[in-house]
Amino acid sequence: RKEVEQDPGPFNVPEGATVAFNCTYSNSASQSFFWYRQDCRKEPKLLMSVYSSGNEDGRFTAQLNRASQYISLLIRDSKLSDSATYLCVVNIPRVTGGGNKLTFGTGTQLKVEL
Amino acid sequence: DTGVSQDPRHKITKRGQNVTFRCDPISEHNRLYWYRQTLGQGPEFLTYFQNEAQLEKSRLLSDRFSAERPKGSFSTLEIQRTEQGDSAMYLCASSPPTGSSTEAFFGQGTRLTVV
Repeated sequence: RKEVEQDPGPFNVPEGATVAFNCTYSNSASQSFFWYRQDCRKEPKLLMSVYSSGNEDGRFTAQLNRASQYISLLIRDSKLSDSATYLCVVNIPRVTGGGNKLTFGTGTQLKVEL
Repeated sequence: DTGVSQDPRHKITKRGQNVTFRCDPISEHNRLYWYRQTLGQGPEFLTYFQNEAQLEKSRLLSDRFSAERPKGSFSTLEIQRTEQGDSAMYLCASSPPTGSSTEAFFGQGTRLTVV
């Protein structure tokens, strides 16, 4: 089983639609969670962190369910500029020696169309 | 520019040659990561440094791969005897020493093509 699994893409949605991405992780010791955005042939950039209480940033809402080991990202009123790949990222602590490892999902491609 | 810097941005090499990539992290960041990404996949973890110590190395990293961070600042990733399967984007990321919840900042990557 992969450490981080995401919905397969691509998601093709009309402008203005609401779209949701899901992600599950296997390591219950995971401590922190993020959604990154990656544009074609560019580096990943942080979109938002994900907190246990859920958090919102404008049109974007992230949720975390630790019991189910599940993370979600909701995008409302999608724009053409939202077209990108969205990567679910889980920060897994190392057992010994300190530090941690950011583990990425495969990513879900979103295409917003007119 | 105070972001993560990678050099070169692109590298084309013949199979069997050695290549070396460099990463300069954000100056106050003590954590440094290397990832590899192929088309349609998310970044795959290769190795992790905390200061100059290499704390973790993925099983993806065969003995042809070696990474160093000699003074806890910049890092190099060397691939010896390159193979066509090594063609990928190699991404470096850094994060500050303020707990495990801190995001990582990525460089623009080095795109390797082995011909």
